[in-house]
Amino acid sequence: QITLKESGPTLVRPTQTLTLTCTFSGFSLSTDRVAVGWIRQPPGKALEWLALIYWDDDKRYSPSLKSRLTITKDTSKNQVVFTMTHMDPVDTATYYCAHRVRSGAWFDPWGQGTLVTVSS
Amino acid sequence: QPVLLQPPSSSASPGESARLTCTLPRGFSVTGYNVYWYQQKPGSPPKYLLYYFSDSDKGRGSGVPSRFSGSKDTSLNTGILLISGLQSEDEADYYCQIWTNIVLFGGGTRLTVL
Repeated sequence: QITLKESGPTLVRPTQTLTLTCTFSGFSLSTDRVAVGWIRQPPGKALEWLALIYWDDDKRYSPSLKSRLTITKDTSKNQVVFTMTHMDPVDTATYYCAHRVRSGAWFDPWGQGTLVTVSS
Repeated sequence: QPVLLQPPSSSASPGESARLTCTLPRGFSVTGYNVYWYQQKPGSPPKYLLYYFSDSDKGRGSGVPSRFSGSKDTSLNTGILLISGLQSEDEADYYCQIWTNIVLFGGGTRLTVL
């Protein structure tokens, strides 16, 4: 059974850097074609994809946010770390990490998500 | 601004069918993409439902009822999620997604089961 859980601060000040950790079980990020992604969802709004990291350390980022994002993995700890710089109140959202399947390009399952509020 | 266009809302009665659409922008031909669909209920993360490429290349997620199916309307450059025999528990937000070296999501459709 695959599970993922996001952890990190619930409140971030404007201009600060957000760092979130996704801790997972039930799969290994050293297995070929496996990937973990980050997606966010502002309150009452749509999903927005942010970043993806593959088993081979290949990384993809949302073009509109690329300059602010970093994604890394620690295979030995079964963790993926996501950072977003220069946080703004519009970045207030629930941040999800999700397992991207080997056999396709969908996310299944997702973590429960963590709500991050950006406010002074 | 979501790249994939979904109507913000849709409604249908129990027992009826709901047809949710996901229109790809110019430059992205739906014939060349798998279209993935997710269901999200309030307070929960999205749940993967299914993908559709063609009638011979499609699949549903684990435990997803056969009432959920996918198709395409190539004339409209649209992916379609069809939910037949609507039940009250199908009331949710539905998102489409494609992969084009990056992930693109639609803006979501809120389905109300009247």
